[in-house]
Amino acid sequence: AQSVSQHNHHVILSEAASLELGCNYSYGGTVNLFWYVQYPGQHLQLLLKYFSGDPLVKGIKGFEAEFIKSKFSFNLRKPSVQWSDTAEYFCAVNNYNQGGKLIFGQGTELSVKP
Amino acid sequence: GAVVSQHPSRVICKSGTSVKIECRSLDFQATTMFWYRQFPKQSLMLMATSNEGSKATYEQGVEKDKFLINHASLTLSTLTVTSAHPEDSSFYICSASASAPQGDTQYFGPGTRLTVL
Repeated sequence: AQSVSQHNHHVILSEAASLELGCNYSYGGTVNLFWYVQYPGQHLQLLLKYFSGDPLVKGIKGFEAEFIKSKFSFNLRKPSVQWSDTAEYFCAVNNYNQGGKLIFGQGTELSVKP
Repeated sequence: GAVVSQHPSRVICKSGTSVKIECRSLDFQATTMFWYRQFPKQSLMLMATSNEGSKATYEQGVEKDKFLINHASLTLSTLTVTSAHPEDSSFYICSASASAPQGDTQYFGPGTRLTVL
């Protein structure tokens, strides 16, 4: 069965530190890839997405992600985090063969210390 | 951007009663809506996919007679939890997609916290 794995359950960083959150998926066909963020008490918001084209995708708030097909990975990065980036981050994948259903990773809780 | 609302945001009910949750796409027409359940500190679990005007497709292990889904229009889907029990207490989230689900982005509602006493 298709699955999405996020390597880190909880990441703690100081402000200005660089961030990289890992995401790997198991499906080998055509996929679309997403990163969503859930700030405390708020709903999921789309950070960025990859459908095709340039594998380096830039999203909102300075985030970017790189799709590496050979590694089945879609890691999220930010060069310098801020306290306001404290949130839960979810990687998600959908594929054409499953009616576009989103499969979510377990989520990574990011805590940024001021 | 695309906005999805849910109502109510929070509901507390007695065991055995039914609860209806509404999901609306406010500024776009949603061909497909999805219903998820999220447990504390866990990821989202897809419950069902609904397309406007047709029956919902439920994920394995989700009871369709307990979780009734209606997608009567391109802007509204409802989830009714029938004969709710304490184990149904959870955070229910809907999402909406503007066109055919393949290759499109889902926009999420703010969620509904259901507590069954």
